This record gives sequence, C-alpha cells and structure tokens, in this order.
Amino acid sequence: QTVVTQEPSLTVSPGGTVTLTCASSTGAVISGYYPNWFQQKPGQAPRALIYSTSNKHSWTPARFSGSLVGGKAALTLSGVQPEDEAEYYCLLYYGGAWVFGGGTKLTVL
Amino acid sequence: QITLKESGPTLVKPTQTLTLTCSFSGFSLSTSGVAVGWIRQPPGKALEWLALIYWDDDKRYSPSLKSRLTITKDTSKNQVVLTMTNMDPVDTATYYCAHRGPAALFDYWGQGTLVTVSS
Repeated sequence: QTVVTQEPSLTVSPGGTVTLTCASSTGAVISGYYPNWFQQKPGQAPRALIYSTSNKHSWTPARFSGSLVGGKAALTLSGVQPEDEAEYYCLLYYGGAWVFGGGTKLTVL
Repeated sequence: QITLKESGPTLVKPTQTLTLTCSFSGFSLSTSGVAVGWIRQPPGKALEWLALIYWDDDKRYSPSLKSRLTITKDTSKNQVVLTMTNMDPVDTATYYCAHRGPAALFDYWGQGTLVTVSS
C-alpha cells in the first residue's frame, strides 16, 4: 500500500519562512505525481492552494509556493501570517488513484 | 460560481449500505475534463480519497475500498452519488465531494456531511 508522508507538525514565527514536504513510499516524487496542496482549518472543508506541483489557484496568496525538492514535493510559506496556522495536506497521483498525506499541523507562534 | 453540497443519512447501522448525494451547480459534468470526487475524513484524522467520476463516465476508486464503492452520475440533475456497502464504525467520517476541473484537481469542495456508523 502506497504511503505519503508529511511532517506531523511544524512551528514557525510570524513573518518567517517554512517548508512543508511530501514524500512517497514508492520513491522520488516527480512532476508526474501532480502534487496538490490543501489547507484545512478546524471545522472547515479543505481549501485548495497548489496544483500540479507549483500552480496557484486564483485565490492562493502569493506567499505560498510549491516545488520539488530533494525527491519530495514541497510547500513553502514565505512571510507567514497568523492566519496560516492550519493543517496542510498534500495529494499525489498514482496512475488512476490518489493518495493524501497524513497532514502537517502548522503552528504560528 | 461553483458550489457543491453533500446530502445523505447522518447515522447508519453496521453492515448497512451508505448512499450519499453530491448536488452541484456552476459547472456541467458533461464538459470535457471535468470530474467529481469523494473524499472522507474520520474525526481528528487525515483526508482519504475515495472515488472519482469523469465527464465521460470513466470511474476511479481507492484500491483499498474498491470492492465496497460505487460512484454514478446524473448529468441532467447535476448530481453524483456514492454508495458504500457493509458500513463499519471505522467508516465514521465527514464525507466531502469536490470538483475537478480540466487543469486542477479538487479546486472546489462541498461543506461535508458527517456520517456516524453505530448500532
């Protein structure tokens, strides 16, 4: 069974920069996995942030960016705001099936 | 403006079949490249992708749940239905439906519906 792994939790100071990663048990994550990133706040539905590695939706703040780094998909937040405190999920494509990561709880402190 | 809304029972008994409906507006499921998917989230746990149906009626299922899931669409009613058989307490979760456009996956989500499995 394919497992997608994210950091369980990260802490960042307001105004700082943080990178969340997304790894695949099958090996290096490449563009063909079409990494997606979602943000979820308590009691809310997930909100899409990034699709196909690095593409932003019209509503995605400029401080969010996606990339591939060291064989993983990555979501970088630059100039973190208090409202960025949330759970973040990545989603990878495996030839007709999709698998979410376990999520990263981002604390802004 | 794309919107989606899930509906169905809030409580089902173990071994029963769950039927959920996703009613949507702002797009057509007959448009090339468009799809609707289902995702669930047990309380306090991570998201899990379940199924996806494309505009051309192509269907994809989570390998681990494939034997229990069926996804169908009614284009004229703008609805997608997910059925899950043999429900178990571990299937207690919030179930979401989401839109897939030609370029982006799951860009719009419904509010979710909590389904509890209990006798």
